[in-house]
Amino acid sequence: DTGVSQDPRHKITKRGQNVTFRCDPISEHNRLYWYRQTLGQGPEFLTYFQNEAQLEKSRLLSDRFSAERPKGSFSTLEIQRTEQGDSAMYLCASSLLGVVDSPLHFGNGTRLTVT
Amino acid sequence: KQEVTQIPAALSVPEGENLVLNCSFTDSAIYNLQWFRQDPGKGLTSLLLIQSSQREQTSGRLNASLDKSSGRSTLYIAASQPGDSATYLCAVMDDYKLSFGAGTTVTVRA
Repeated sequence: DTGVSQDPRHKITKRGQNVTFRCDPISEHNRLYWYRQTLGQGPEFLTYFQNEAQLEKSRLLSDRFSAERPKGSFSTLEIQRTEQGDSAMYLCASSLLGVVDSPLHFGNGTRLTVT
Repeated sequence: KQEVTQIPAALSVPEGENLVLNCSFTDSAIYNLQWFRQDPGKGLTSLLLIQSSQREQTSGRLNASLDKSSGRSTLYIAASQPGDSATYLCAVMDDYKLSFGAGTTVTVRA
């Protein structure tokens, strides 16, 4: 169990550029989540996958955001035409569906700064 | 929509004192409640998970209670140490996702 891995750890980009983040969940976990956290706040739910199916998207996820999980393994989160308000920590988490009360395991996040 | 509140927002105690962190939530239809620890610039580490049918859960110096009917949970940390300094987050699970509070930032003074 190597834990949830996120890449990159930090990303600085100019407003208007596109960025993509990657998340590798714990290998046997079939649920994968993306959260966003701004300074001094708790994480806010963005979207989640069960295997390769994206089952829920928050209203926070505008049309500029897209997430994929091909083959139910790793996931990517892309932000197009970044805005300064997108600056935040993007957290990925995974869990095991089918095990009662399986806790979510979080990665160390990707810190995005839009200048 | 589930609302999770944590009070106080920040807490500073001398080493050795017991810590009491509070969490409240508005919708009692939860599957479980989790407490997490977050160090600056890092991700979240799961500390305890309490199932909706349980009243409390213990791990080492940590004890968490859950009163689902009143929408409250409390995390107790016994004999605090400087290494316990971090932000502690409470989160409740509905059928598939966690809703988080804003956290309590704890400083333990040596």
